[in-house]
Amino acid sequence: TAGITQAPTSQILAAGRSMTLRCTQDMRHNAMYWYRQDLGLGLRLIHYSNTAGTTGKGEVPDGYSVSRANTDDFPLTLASAVPSQTSVYFCASSDSGQEPTEGYTFGSGTRLTVV
Amino acid sequence: KNQVEQSPQSLIILEGKNCTLQCNYTVSPFSNLRWYKQDTGRGPVSLTIMTFSENTKSNGRYTATLDADTKQSSLHITASQLSDSASYICVVSEGGSYIPTFGRGTSLIVHP
Repeated sequence: TAGITQAPTSQILAAGRSMTLRCTQDMRHNAMYWYRQDLGLGLRLIHYSNTAGTTGKGEVPDGYSVSRANTDDFPLTLASAVPSQTSVYFCASSDSGQEPTEGYTFGSGTRLTVV
Repeated sequence: KNQVEQSPQSLIILEGKNCTLQCNYTVSPFSNLRWYKQDTGRGPVSLTIMTFSENTKSNGRYTATLDADTKQSSLHITASQLSDSASYICVVSEGGSYIPTFGRGTSLIVHP
């Protein structure tokens, strides 16, 4: 089934450790995104990429980095995790970055707990 | 600052009943508005997308309306089913921006 695969599904991470959340799509979408979702808050954009080789900062980029070496993969790295990064992380993709015609396709999420 | 406000925050209805969820936004210039359904523990799934020129769009038992003049949208669910229990999220995109604005969602619970 075409879509987005995120890994891991969940993770408990010690504060100060680094971690990379993986995201792969097989729809050949140009744009990819990373969101975090916290209880009582809407989805907030961390970083985005409109096409392979380019990335941009979203609303809450601090403490996170991304890369887009190819069309399919968009990993999110936490260099030194802090408890405030405890959240559910969703990767998404769309056919184009600006005004996508079909909306976004989301992955199933990664639940991260930083202790 | 662009804002998307959804109401009610939560809603409980009986199976078979209809309901309407509201979304008000301040995003300008407006590009498009989408409604998503998010089941517990899953990622959001797109229900409808509407551009400036569209007043209504249906997807099965889901019908979304848009009034671009008053900057309001609604999502009407007809003959609700237990599987409709989920969070419904309104997302509004600004023309020329790569960053859409998400509402906080309405949590719908359908009881048998």
